[in-house]
Amino acid sequence: EPEVTQTPSHQVTQMGQEVILRCVPISNHLYFYWYRQILGQKVEFLVSFYNNEISEKSEIFDDQFSVERPDGSNFTLKIRSTKLEDSAMYFCASSGDRVGNQPQHFGDGTRLSIL
Amino acid sequence: DQQVKQNSPSLSVQEGRISILNCDYTNSMFDYFLWYKKYPAEGPTFLISISSIKDKNEDGRFTVFLNKSAKHLSLHIVPSQPGDSAVYFCAVLQTGANNLFFGTGTRLTVIP
Repeated sequence: EPEVTQTPSHQVTQMGQEVILRCVPISNHLYFYWYRQILGQKVEFLVSFYNNEISEKSEIFDDQFSVERPDGSNFTLKIRSTKLEDSAMYFCASSGDRVGNQPQHFGDGTRLSIL
Repeated sequence: DQQVKQNSPSLSVQEGRISILNCDYTNSMFDYFLWYKKYPAEGPTFLISISSIKDKNEDGRFTVFLNKSAKHLSLHIVPSQPGDSAVYFCAVLQTGANNLFFGTGTRLTVIP
């Protein structure tokens, strides 16, 4: 069964540094998402991406964050000037259609640790 | 943000018995509901969904019930198996949106 793959599985970064989290969505999917889960808290929506542009974003997704689909297979989340509170599991997801028609499929996440 | 609540952080059930996981929501604009299962070190895996025009959806051992008037949904697993032991999240979708609101999760342990 096709999977969403995320790299790296664990990223350790010094506070203030930039980090790029990478995702390869399922190949025929059109909608892409980033979520995060701070330890002990719920999974929170960050951003959705469709047709090469952001379609929705949450309050969390401020100017520190950006997303890009640099080629036909990768979907990246960039966090500039990381802060301690950015430490979390970051999940990428994709779907073939809007959620009400097809569910989102999640990758196994990247654990981001900010020191 | 308490729009989606799973009030039971954990549940233990004997193998073969029924597991019932509950989820409450506050926003009447939510119109699509999903359950995800999550194992440690893995991402959430989609289980089953239901739209607001239905009150029940069944897929094998998994059944989701929706009570719109009570703003409550539940996931029934019967019979429960040890491999069902995981954290279960309910997730909801608001009309016109394409992002999910997740509950805090319920850790299910199925005892052999």
